[in-house]
Amino acid sequence: EAQVTQNPRYLITVTGKKLTVTCSQNMNHEYMSWYRQDPGLGLRQIYYSMNVEVTDKGDVPEGYKVSRKEKRNFPLILESPSPNQTSLYFCASRSQGYGGELFFGEGSRLTVL
Amino acid sequence: SQQGEEDPQALSIQEGENATMNCSYKTSINNLQWYRQNSGRGLVHLILIRSNEREKHSGRLRVTLDTSKKSSSLLITASRAADTASYFCAPPNAGGTSYGKLTFGQGTILTVHP
Repeated sequence: EAQVTQNPRYLITVTGKKLTVTCSQNMNHEYMSWYRQDPGLGLRQIYYSMNVEVTDKGDVPEGYKVSRKEKRNFPLILESPSPNQTSLYFCASRSQGYGGELFFGEGSRLTVL
Repeated sequence: SQQGEEDPQALSIQEGENATMNCSYKTSINNLQWYRQNSGRGLVHLILIRSNEREKHSGRLRVTLDTSKKSSSLLITASRAADTASYFCAPPNAGGTSYGKLTFGQGTILTVHP
């Protein structure tokens, strides 16, 4: 089954404790992206990757890091989480090319105390 | 970057009625996509309409596109309680460094009452 898998789905952590949200897709997609969703602000892109070893900043990259060492995986790293990073996070992927269909993961709800 | 603006922000209807949501965008596109999000879940792709298409159907969904007005509409016919969700339009960026990027607006929150 074609899918994008995120882990963990729910996480409560404290300020400053490094954490990683993993994302894996089984569709051999070149393009992967991370979004965060907040009430009243919609979905905002954090980082995206056009292919292995190629990553670029989205609209709200501050406080986040990503890596793309393998095609299927695109982890989101919060080196020193802060309460303003409390949000619902989505990973998405699509095949290369103009504006193709995005496949989303189920989301990771992160709370930073 | 390009972003679709959905209207209305919220829509409440009875089961069996039709629901119409509108989307406006600013710059030229090659296609426009609609997505659905059940509360707190990941977005799911519903339909893609290309710029040379005026109308497209998929089951109970009907999407129209008017490139001269830079607008699109999503019609859900004979709605069901299970259609309750947020609906987003996504016009991909047509150029520049963000070519093909999908940016999502606030969406239309549809509530279908049984």
